Amino acid sequence: DQQVKQNSPSLSVQEGRISILNCDYTNSMFDYFLWYKKYPAEGPTFLISISSIKDKNEDGRFTVFLNKSAKHLSLHIVPSQPGDSAVYFCAASVSRLGGSQGNLIFGKGTKLSVKP
Amino acid sequence: DVKVTQSSRYLVKRTGEKVFLECVQDMDHENMFWYRQDPGLGLRLIYFSYDVKMKEKGDIPEGYSVSREKKERFSLILESASTNQTSMYLCASSLLAGANYGYTFGSGTRLTVV
Repeated sequence: DQQVKQNSPSLSVQEGRISILNCDYTNSMFDYFLWYKKYPAEGPTFLISISSIKDKNEDGRFTVFLNKSAKHLSLHIVPSQPGDSAVYFCAASVSRLGGSQGNLIFGKGTKLSVKP
Repeated sequence: DVKVTQSSRYLVKRTGEKVFLECVQDMDHENMFWYRQDPGLGLRLIYFSYDVKMKEKGDIPEGYSVSREKKERFSLILESASTNQTSMYLCASSLLAGANYGYTFGSGTRLTVV
């Protein structure tokens, strides 16, 4: 059973508008969440993360929101640019006893297309 | 910056061949991972390793094996390549713990089995 779900396989947005990518999770033990961006023929690159002690983290045009009660996080991109067109993966992990971090669990990804 | 290097960007192999995919990282990370990415299926974990000579099965280990003889190198082996192993293969590494925990990925190897 998928622990991290990205229910929208694709999203199309006009340049300059807001892109909102959603991610739901089922494991309440997850305490660290990340977003990765992947261009074709390249490996995923880290975009932004958030700890479960926060509900928002912002980095330039990118903001991640975490709603723990709903087990939901979202990535907002404002304003969207054509160069943002990529596949976005949501990922989550659980802290282990002794301070190590469990493996990242990835969603299946959402393909964002930003049209000029 | 951490660099994860995969030896080949593109490979074409014949069915039944033994295939080696190599991955090297340069920042002394404990963890290393092999994933495959297929359309609609996302990133699926094949094998991972927490330390030298250590390996753990991921979600789809069948048809694959791995080797980690040195901390910086993690090899994925397709014992007898089949057409359903045509995919994008991604290697990643990470620290065991840290305030900014996350994976660093290589650029990927696009493997085609004919």
